[in-house]
Amino acid sequence: AQSVTQLDSQVPVFEEAPVELRCNYSSSVSVYLFWYVQYPNQGLQLLLKYLSGSTLVKGINGFEAEFNKSQTSFHLRKPSVHISDTAEYFCAVRDRGSTLGRLYFGRGTQLTVWP
Amino acid sequence: DSGVTQTPKHLITATGQRVTLRCSPRSGDLSVYWYQQSLDQGLQFLIQYYNGEERAKGNILERFSAQQFPDLHSELNLSSLELGDSALYFCASSAQTGSDTGELFFGEGSRLTVL
Repeated sequence: AQSVTQLDSQVPVFEEAPVELRCNYSSSVSVYLFWYVQYPNQGLQLLLKYLSGSTLVKGINGFEAEFNKSQTSFHLRKPSVHISDTAEYFCAVRDRGSTLGRLYFGRGTQLTVWP
Repeated sequence: DSGVTQTPKHLITATGQRVTLRCSPRSGDLSVYWYQQSLDQGLQFLIQYYNGEERAKGNILERFSAQQFPDLHSELNLSSLELGDSALYFCASSAQTGSDTGELFFGEGSRLTVL
């Protein structure tokens, strides 16, 4: 089975600063990787996903993530954050070879951007 | 708008009661997933249906049950409710299992409060 560890439960940063949200996964098989964002009182929205190919993946709202197979990591980055990026971010993994589509989620990282 | 519709958005009930949460997946999606989100447990996978059939079961209590109807909408039934069942319940959908490599599309959730 897969598991996902988000190393920081809370990340406070100032506006226009860079940010990195860390995600490590554990799996005995090849995986697909995802980052979702949850704004207050809303559902989860996909930020980006890694399926194959280039290990640097670009998503919406200026976010990007890099897949590192040797370190089993998929860290999310943004060079300059805005107040509106304040939200909870979830890393998720899916077994590439599974006929099931379920995602395994990390516990989430609350990103708070201060003015 | 993800295209996944959940009702009701909010529900307050008493211990021992039974509630039904409803989910309409995106048009054309055959798979429906239910997740429970609580502060102490994070996002927990409950159950998955594909085209009316149960496909995978996660941490779903025996007091909970679900089904997917011929029109592909799904219902999650929660009975003998306890205080600890208070949580945000998400429904998600995807096109199909197996060959799809895509993400899950989430509804906005049903917030259940048990008093």
